[in-house]
Amino acid sequence: AQSVAQPEDQVNVAEGNPLTVKCTYSVSGNPYLFWYVQYPNRGLQFLLKYITGDNLVKGSYGFEAEFNKSQTSFHLKKPSALVSDSALYFCAVRDKGGKLIFGQGTELSVKP
Amino acid sequence: ETGVTQTPRHLVMGMTNKKSLKCEQHLGHNAMYWYKQSAKKPLELMFVYNFKEQTENNSVPSRFSPECPNSSHLFLHLHTLQPEDSALYLCASSQGLAGDTDTQYFGPGTRLTVL
Repeated sequence: AQSVAQPEDQVNVAEGNPLTVKCTYSVSGNPYLFWYVQYPNRGLQFLLKYITGDNLVKGSYGFEAEFNKSQTSFHLKKPSALVSDSALYFCAVRDKGGKLIFGQGTELSVKP
Repeated sequence: ETGVTQTPRHLVMGMTNKKSLKCEQHLGHNAMYWYKQSAKKPLELMFVYNFKEQTENNSVPSRFSPECPNSSHLFLHLHTLQPEDSALYLCASSQGLAGDTDTQYFGPGTRLTVL
């Protein structure tokens, strides 16, 4: 069965430093992988997705994610964090029926 | 977020009340979804509709009753809820179900509190 794991409940980063939010997955077949962000009292906003092609995927707000098939990972990255990036981040994998299976979320805190 | 709207944004109801949540998508999509987001738990898929037909009911209690009159509107009718049903209810839509371009877009959610 498809599954997604986000091993860190919280990530703390200083503003201006690079950030990484980790995600690993388990799927049968080719993975369709997604990252979403949720700001307080808001719904989920789509950041980026990997379907096929280049392993480095660029998304909204300067975020990117690297697909690594051998490590079954899809880590979210940003070269320089902003305080406004503080939010809850969800990794998800789509199963063959089209359902999204979400990780438990990682809370990113960026301090000035 | 204006592509998918949800009303009301906040709802407080007693266990004997009947209320409805509304979702509307302005993206021309054909599939719509209801999710439940509780604290400290992953998002739970509740229902999926594709071209107005229900394609998924993820073992949701009958006190939650969805309705999809057309591809743009989705309702969740609530009755005799329990306090543990308090959560953020999220609606989402996508062009289809499983194609390469079928990204789900979410509304802002309805924060439901059951007293």
